[in-house]
Amino acid sequence: DAGVTQSPTHLIKTRGQHVTLRCSPISGHKSVSWYQQVLGQGPQFIFQYYEKEERGRGNFPDRFSARQFPNYSSELNVNALLLGDSALYLCASSLHPSYEQYFGPGTRLTVT
Amino acid sequence: LAKTTQPISMDSYEGQEVNITCSHNNIATNDYITWYQQFPSQGPRFIIQGYKTKVTNEVASLFIPADRKSSTLSLPRVSLSDTAVYYCLVGDRNTPLVFGKGTRLSVIA
Repeated sequence: DAGVTQSPTHLIKTRGQHVTLRCSPISGHKSVSWYQQVLGQGPQFIFQYYEKEERGRGNFPDRFSARQFPNYSSELNVNALLLGDSALYLCASSLHPSYEQYFGPGTRLTVT
Repeated sequence: LAKTTQPISMDSYEGQEVNITCSHNNIATNDYITWYQQFPSQGPRFIIQGYKTKVTNEVASLFIPADRKSSTLSLPRVSLSDTAVYYCLVGDRNTPLVFGKGTRLSVIA
């Protein structure tokens, strides 16, 4: 079975622009979570979705938004990009929010 | 959410057993202890999870004392490919994962 897939792999954007990151969960998984990992730090929780409903939100500004589609894939959107948004964005899926999470390879976002 | 404390880094030679200890003095009754491994430019990978006593799988063992205020991840006979960052997480299964800075393990030939 395919694991969690994320696209694109790498992305370079300019300050003030908008970005959309995509995630496809493992087949059968209905929960998707998003994390931001800056260099040298552990991943930080951004959002969790389950059955297309937001289940949790981390301490991130309103510039960050997400949604989950009927096929359980998900998008993370970031508006008005700042230099500090440069990071590895990780998506994780699980059968249910309380089950083991499987991470994708991430999207490396660079904001210049 | 319980805060965890683990060493910033550790070095080991190939073939040795490595033990990484994590302190979590404020662990709650419903909290589980979970360890993840992360290689550079990859997402974290689940290693092992436990609630109390000892848990063993094909990759590692997790030792948890009776008071649950600490835990030790044991990696038997490490190889160069075990060089990675190891994260200790403590939390209720229904709450999002909270990662610290982890322990950077370097395995030397």
